Formats: sequence, C-alpha cells, structure tokens
Amino acid sequence: EGQLVQSGAELRKPGESLKISCKTSEYNFLNHWIAWVRQMPGKGLEWMGIIYPGDSDTRYSPSFQGQVTISADKSISTVYLQWSSLKASDTAMYYCARRDGYNTLDPWGQGTLVTVSS
Amino acid sequence: QSVLTQPPSASGTPGQRVTISCSGSSSYIRNNFLYWYQQLPGAAPTVLIYRNNQRPSGVPDRFSGSKSGTSASLAISGLRSEDEANYYCATWDDSLSGPVFGGGTKLTVL
Repeated sequence: EGQLVQSGAELRKPGESLKISCKTSEYNFLNHWIAWVRQMPGKGLEWMGIIYPGDSDTRYSPSFQGQVTISADKSISTVYLQWSSLKASDTAMYYCARRDGYNTLDPWGQGTLVTVSS
Repeated sequence: QSVLTQPPSASGTPGQRVTISCSGSSSYIRNNFLYWYQQLPGAAPTVLIYRNNQRPSGVPDRFSGSKSGTSASLAISGLRSEDEANYYCATWDDSLSGPVFGGGTKLTVL
C-alpha cells in the first residue's frame, strides 16, 4: 500500500495565495481518486473535493466550490490544493486521502497545517 | 451541522464495552455503507471499519461496526487507554462523489 506525503506547515497573510501538495508512492497513482479533507482547530472532518489523477476529473463539495482549486501533476505523482486569496477562516489542518474501491479513505497523509494571520 | 449525528462525547473505564452511535436520514444510512475513522490525538484519521462491519487488517477485533435501519454504531470492547481518541462515522454520497462525515465523538477512557 502506498503512502501519501504532504508538504510542510505554512504561515500566510490574508489575501495571499497558497498551493499545498500531496505526493503518492508505491501504487498506481493514476487509478485512484485522491480527496482533500479540512479540519478546523478543534473541529471535525469536512470533505472539500476529490480528483482522479488519470484524467484530472475533479469534484468539489458545494461548500468549497469556487473557494479552492484541486489539481494533479501525473509526472510527479502529486496532487495539489490551492487558494488564490486566503482568509483567516482558512486556518486549518488539511489532509489528503486515497479513496479505495470500497469508498474507504485509506491511507491518509500526515496533514498540512495552514495558518492565515496578519 | 452534519447530516450524520453522533454524540459529542462518550466515556468508559478500562475493560468496559462502549458504543458510539451514528444516526441520520434514511437516504444516507439505510441506503449506503457506513465507515468509521479513528483520530488519535495529534494524528491523521485512520479507517477502523469499512462497509458497515468490515475491519481492515491490523484493526483489533475489539472494534466492531453494525448498522440497522437509519442508525449505526461502533462498539469497542475491552476498552484501553490507547483507545482515547475522536471517532467519526461517515458514508459516501454518490451524488457528490465524496464522503459525508458525522460530527465526531470524543472518547475518554477514565
């Protein structure tokens, strides 16, 4: 089973842009959907969106549609989550996770903490 | 507010059996598989139960899942201190192509 390794913690100011990454290994990257999940401080899990790296087919949660962009680079087995203009309310831990054939999210990345503060 | 409802907290003493419930509308629970995720303090979530009652390899058989009608539950028998964590139920929404999570239950081992 492959691992998902996410980029490191980020500190940004409101209005700045940001792109975080999730790199996969050891399995067929192109044939598994990769999801992004947000966890705000002290809160629960929220699904943001999902991408199929094979053809970059992407679906967004209605709550996050238009707020973020999910993309993939097949050449380096990496999926991205990006913001064009961060808000303080984007402060959260962000996880990527692979969707398997049973609709299970497994494995998960270690998480990327994004802090947006002036 | 999540469409899957969990109690915010649960507790038990070592060795006890505890259950965590997950309820929701019939469109989510009755018609779909249920999943349970465990999130230990400071860690990423991991899957405990998939497809209502299946355990991935490596998950102890102290953990079991069940579903009946519009409710589901996670049972933990022989409670241990290392079970202290947040537990999330989830289902898959085909119309969204994504998961729907419950609000989570914080389990405290007294």
